Amino acid sequence: GQQLNQSPQSMFIQEGEDVSMNCTSSSIFNTWLWYKQDPGEGPVLLIALYKAGELTSNGRLTAQFGITRKDSFLNISASIPSDVGIYFCAGPTIYNQGGKLIFGQGTELSVKP
Amino acid sequence: DGGITQSPKYLFRKEGQNVTLSCEQNLNHDAMYWYRQDPGQGLRLIYYSQIVNDFQKGDIAEGYSVSREKKESFPLTVTSAQKNPTAFYLCASSNSGGPLFQFFGPGTRLTVL
Repeated sequence: GQQLNQSPQSMFIQEGEDVSMNCTSSSIFNTWLWYKQDPGEGPVLLIALYKAGELTSNGRLTAQFGITRKDSFLNISASIPSDVGIYFCAGPTIYNQGGKLIFGQGTELSVKP
Repeated sequence: DGGITQSPKYLFRKEGQNVTLSCEQNLNHDAMYWYRQDPGQGLRLIYYSQIVNDFQKGDIAEGYSVSREKKESFPLTVTSAQKNPTAFYLCASSNSGGPLFQFFGPGTRLTVL
């Protein structure tokens, strides 16, 4: 079945550094979503990508929909302590069954002040 | 304010007891979902419902049950048959006729003693 693999699984960085993470699949996705989960809370949508090659920004966050449609990337510039959390990529299943999404296993980000 | 509420935030139960987790949304969304999250892991789909009075099993439905009698409500019962019920439970909803992304509630942390 369709799976999403995120890397790295965890990152420990210094405040002010830039961050890059990615999400890959062996299957084609038509939509890529990036969520952030603060500790003990529900995930919140950061960015949605709908077209191959699309590059979208949300403040210090930039995400790209890979040309092959099998991957996506999320970059965070000039990290701050509140960037701490788990970042998930997600996409709809190939059959788009009632809005069902597949989630990656997450990239956990820690920021040292 | 529109959103998804889950109650309670923390729940403790004795082993062998059934427990029901509440999920309510006022976003007028057709579809609702339940996920389970274990430490260091991604989101695993338990059940989902695309419309009132209809629901489907997700990837890990064993030991759980749901109902969808009203559009705004999708309660999850964790039964005594669930072998490892201690986890963080997340409810989500989406508009089946609109964007594919899901909105999440704040989650309920269930601890079975």
